[in-house]
Amino acid sequence: QQQVKQSPQSLIVQKGGISIINCAYENTAFDYFPWYQQFPGKGPALLIAIRPDVSEKKEGRFTISFNKSAKQFSLHIMDSQPGDSATYFCAASKGGSYIPTFGRGTSLIVHP
Amino acid sequence: DGGITQSPKYLFRKEGQNVTLSCEQNLNHDAMYWYRQDPGQGLRLIYYSQIVNDFQKGDIAEGYSVSREKKESFPLTVTSAQKNPTAFYLCASSTQTGQETQYFGPGTRLLVL
Repeated sequence: QQQVKQSPQSLIVQKGGISIINCAYENTAFDYFPWYQQFPGKGPALLIAIRPDVSEKKEGRFTISFNKSAKQFSLHIMDSQPGDSATYFCAASKGGSYIPTFGRGTSLIVHP
Repeated sequence: DGGITQSPKYLFRKEGQNVTLSCEQNLNHDAMYWYRQDPGQGLRLIYYSQIVNDFQKGDIAEGYSVSREKKESFPLTVTSAQKNPTAFYLCASSTQTGQETQYFGPGTRLLVL
């Protein structure tokens, strides 16, 4: 049973455009929602994270939007750049549990 | 310079052979994890360990074994029982709270000869 559903599986965007990746979760006990960025042949690294007490968090060109009632959260990449081309994973975890649940990933390609 | 190291970067396994992937961290993290990554499958948990001398099976533990004799080290052995071992293997660590970030190593790519 996939507890965090991520879409789309792949995304192609032109340079300067907005990239949007969506995730939906089922377990209402989740209270920490990170996004990871992974470049080819490398390990994932934390990009940005949010807790459910806020509806939006912005760091530079990257924004997480969080909708608690809909149990959805999304990553927006503004002014997308070719250097943003990578695989993005959303995840969810709950306090007291050591195991995050990952989405299946989105492969983003930004064309110059 | 804190972080997680994995070795080797590439590993070749012959049929019937056991191979061991190394993972070391100097972040003083209690929890460590092994994931397998296949194209389009995301990250699948193999084993995890919350403290030294204790570890738990993840979603796809069959054909794998681990040990946690030291806080810093969490090696993964891919046994001959794992019939489809070709994948990218990622080690990660985190603090004990469960809400914290997972820090990943650079990965080991395992190929079968």
